[in-house]
Amino acid sequence: GENVEQHPSTLSVQEGDSAVIKCTYSDSASNYFPWYKQELGKRPQLIIDIRSNVGEKKDQRIAVTLNKTAKHFSLHITETQPEDSAVYFCAARMEYGNKLVFGAGTILRVKS
Amino acid sequence: DTGVSQNPRHKITKRGQNVTFRCDPISEHNRLYWYRQTLGQGPEFLTYFQNEAQLEKSRLLSDRFSAERPKGSFSTLEIQRTEQGDSAMYLCASSLEPGTTAWNEQFFGPGTRLTVL
Repeated sequence: GENVEQHPSTLSVQEGDSAVIKCTYSDSASNYFPWYKQELGKRPQLIIDIRSNVGEKKDQRIAVTLNKTAKHFSLHITETQPEDSAVYFCAARMEYGNKLVFGAGTILRVKS
Repeated sequence: DTGVSQNPRHKITKRGQNVTFRCDPISEHNRLYWYRQTLGQGPEFLTYFQNEAQLEKSRLLSDRFSAERPKGSFSTLEIQRTEQGDSAMYLCASSLEPGTTAWNEQFFGPGTRLTVL
């Protein structure tokens, strides 16, 4: 079955710096890769996603890159702000599949 | 609030008791998913429904767990004879069905935190 590994488990950056979180997946049939942000005590919320027919996607300060050959994808946050502090989860899903398989999460702390 | 809602938000029970959680998805969403999240981990898939049909169950879903979605709207997750290892956050999510616009996104509810003493 699908397995998703996520690194690092914790990441501390200074406000204004960039943050990068990386994930690898095992099932080559996966072709949808969302990223969720979960603040303490709150529900996971989708912040960006990418399909396998696209190599990169940007939305303001957030970008995701995908390397299908290597089976890894990354989240890039530029100009980090204290409100970016949260747990970030990557996930993978097969075409028209059902379940999302999540990574273990990355705790991001942005120090002001 | 038109998002996914879950009740109760917290449940404390004694080992061996039965518990039931409810999820109300976004009204136009055909698909409903249940996940379990333990501390320091990402959500793990338990089961999902397309309308009232339960189409997939994870091996994590032992025979003590049962889920229903009788009218294709709200869903319930019941755990019988709870064990301490069942303590977790139980998350519900919903989405449109495949082939529809923006079906990919799963919208999560706030979760039900279960503590088994």
